[in-house]
Amino acid sequence: TQLLEQSPQFLSIQEGENLTVYCNSSSVFSSLQWYRQEPGEGPVLLVTVVTGGEVKKLKRLTFQFGDARKDSSLHITAAQPGDTGLYLCAGNPTNTGNQFYFGTGTSLTVIP
Amino acid sequence: SAVISQKPSRDICQRGTSLTIQCQVDSQVTMMFWYRQQPGQSLTLIATANQGSEATYESGFVIDKFPISRPNLTFSTLTVSNMSPEDSSIYLCSVDRRGWTRGYTFGSGTRLTVV
Repeated sequence: TQLLEQSPQFLSIQEGENLTVYCNSSSVFSSLQWYRQEPGEGPVLLVTVVTGGEVKKLKRLTFQFGDARKDSSLHITAAQPGDTGLYLCAGNPTNTGNQFYFGTGTSLTVIP
Repeated sequence: SAVISQKPSRDICQRGTSLTIQCQVDSQVTMMFWYRQQPGQSLTLIATANQGSEATYESGFVIDKFPISRPNLTFSTLTVSNMSPEDSSIYLCSVDRRGWTRGYTFGSGTRLTVV
């Protein structure tokens, strides 16, 4: 059983559309991170959120950490083909070491 | 952020053989992490490697199958032993160089195919 469940698993949208990816768990996390991965490469960190209710913006990407620190969302505005990739959330459970456990992943394709 | 060199980038191996994957970091780091990933899917943590101590393995992974070395603060190896086709996957090393708030830096991965 995966600690973090992401939805949707696959998403294919037209350029210019908006989308939201969800990352849910029954566990509480000290912090949560979002990564994007392109084929043949390792994941690249987008953001880290550490405070319940925190919202961070990175250009057209908006990240939110749930109030209870059990879930998170990633919202992309006006998606572009360059946003195509595998989006992964990763959480550091409370009362553990520095290990992060990754979500099930969301594969996004933005069609020009 | 840290630069990680991982090799080989890919390999095709015969079942029953072993492959050692190397991970070199451009600066000293306390902890290194090894992950496995099926193409297009998420990452599963195999083990955490600290310099000077035995690696800590996650549930479902054992030292006899995935021995790890960590001889110094910039280098680690993961060996996939007695391989079977089920071991075909992408293996990634990562480091947490500047504390957990800065996130992980990953190598580009080793794509392993066992035939």
